[in-house]
Amino acid sequence: ETGVTQTPRHLVMGMTNKKSLKCEQHLGHNAMYWYKQSAKKPLELMFVYNFKEQTENNSVPSRFSPECPNSSHLFLHLHTLQPEDSALYLCASSPDLETYNEQFFGPGTRLTVL
Amino acid sequence: AQSVSQHNHHVILSEAASLELGCNYSYGGTVNLFWYVQYPGQHLQLLLKYFSGDPLVKGIKGFEAEFIKSKFSFNLRKPSVQWSDTAEYFCAVNEGFQKLVFGTGTRLLVSP
Repeated sequence: ETGVTQTPRHLVMGMTNKKSLKCEQHLGHNAMYWYKQSAKKPLELMFVYNFKEQTENNSVPSRFSPECPNSSHLFLHLHTLQPEDSALYLCASSPDLETYNEQFFGPGTRLTVL
Repeated sequence: AQSVSQHNHHVILSEAASLELGCNYSYGGTVNLFWYVQYPGQHLQLLLKYFSGDPLVKGIKGFEAEFIKSKFSFNLRKPSVQWSDTAEYFCAVNEGFQKLVFGTGTRLLVSP
């Protein structure tokens, strides 16, 4: 399989649930990203990882907890979310942070918080 | 902080019509500019990008964009749209190393 994959594609959870989103890239990239895409708002960068190290946390609430065990995998752990957290969560990767290359996006996970 | 404005939120065109989608950014320094497209049910993919050199860049599927530094603009154009161009289009600007700032997107509907 090539490109950037995300699972699950759809997730419905209650405010007290704990769930995780998974992203995997098969491109040999070293940088990975989480974005939030809400209706009528620009894509919001949440986290950036480079060589498994977090390099950016864009003031994201602690109920979102990222994990990057290796350069190919990125997780977003969710806990006690709010209904306003319902959105499309996109994962992306790029070769690294040193060059101005394009980011490759996954299909996203459509999250609904009840 | 850097911001990107896409003034057209929804555009409806007939096939063969010409397309121009506006994009303006706020940063006055060196920028890298991108247009991404999201077809229905598909993931975001790169349409074209500008880093340096010729300000008129050509992308996939007949799209092009012109970087006008004095106007802080990077408008997307296509001379003749097709039904398959129905999608949402996002302008993005690079702020620092790989921190992309996106606009709100423009939904294009092309009627056959």
